[in-house]
Amino acid sequence: EIVLTQSPGTLSLSPGERATLSCRASQSVSSSYLAWYQQKPGQAPRLLIYGASSRATGIPDRFSGSGSGTDFTLTISRLEPEDFAVYYCQQYGSSPLFGGGTKVEIK
Amino acid sequence: QVQLVQSGAEVKKPGASVKVSCKASGYTFTGYYMHWVRQAPGQGLEWMGWINPNSGGTNYAQKFQGRVTMTRDTSISTAYMELSRLRSDDTAVYYCAREKHDWCSSTSCSPFDPWGQGTLVTVSS
Repeated sequence: EIVLTQSPGTLSLSPGERATLSCRASQSVSSSYLAWYQQKPGQAPRLLIYGASSRATGIPDRFSGSGSGTDFTLTISRLEPEDFAVYYCQQYGSSPLFGGGTKVEIK
Repeated sequence: QVQLVQSGAEVKKPGASVKVSCKASGYTFTGYYMHWVRQAPGQGLEWMGWINPNSGGTNYAQKFQGRVTMTRDTSISTAYMELSRLRSDDTAVYYCAREKHDWCSSTSCSPFDPWGQGTLVTVSS
């Protein structure tokens, strides 16, 4: 059974800084089936990235995804105030699976 | 626009069952797999299973096998998730989420977009 491990658990940064979030899989994941979501308090998750690197509709280009095999990265080039949230990676397919999440908080 | 509207909050006693609905609008209901995901207070996301609204076929996460039933009523574009033998650790927000792409045929193959607003289920004696 695949396990997705996200790190760090919490990332403390200031607006304007670059955020780099990691998602590591215990077994190789097809890049076509790796997604990232953003969740703000009291809200449902929102799809940001799918296919490891494709931005979903309406997602600003400061969000980018990369990686392959077992190591994937979500990068936010310059943090805006609305980007402080929890981020989840997901392997989707016949039996989807989520990572534990990374909280990006204001330093 | 595509919209998923879920039923309201529920309070249940341990051992009871709960049935949450998810009414879809703005697209062809039978064209996209529907998933259910839950989130316990302060915790992460946990996938529960999916239903193919066209065929009625389902795939449940092993953890919920025997306790969860996902169904749909295509006449009213609504998906349902029923969880039985509730325990206190089933207290969570339950979300329905549609697949983004409509090209999945025999099994789920797409990320989730959009999501419903969530339904809080509280299990307490």
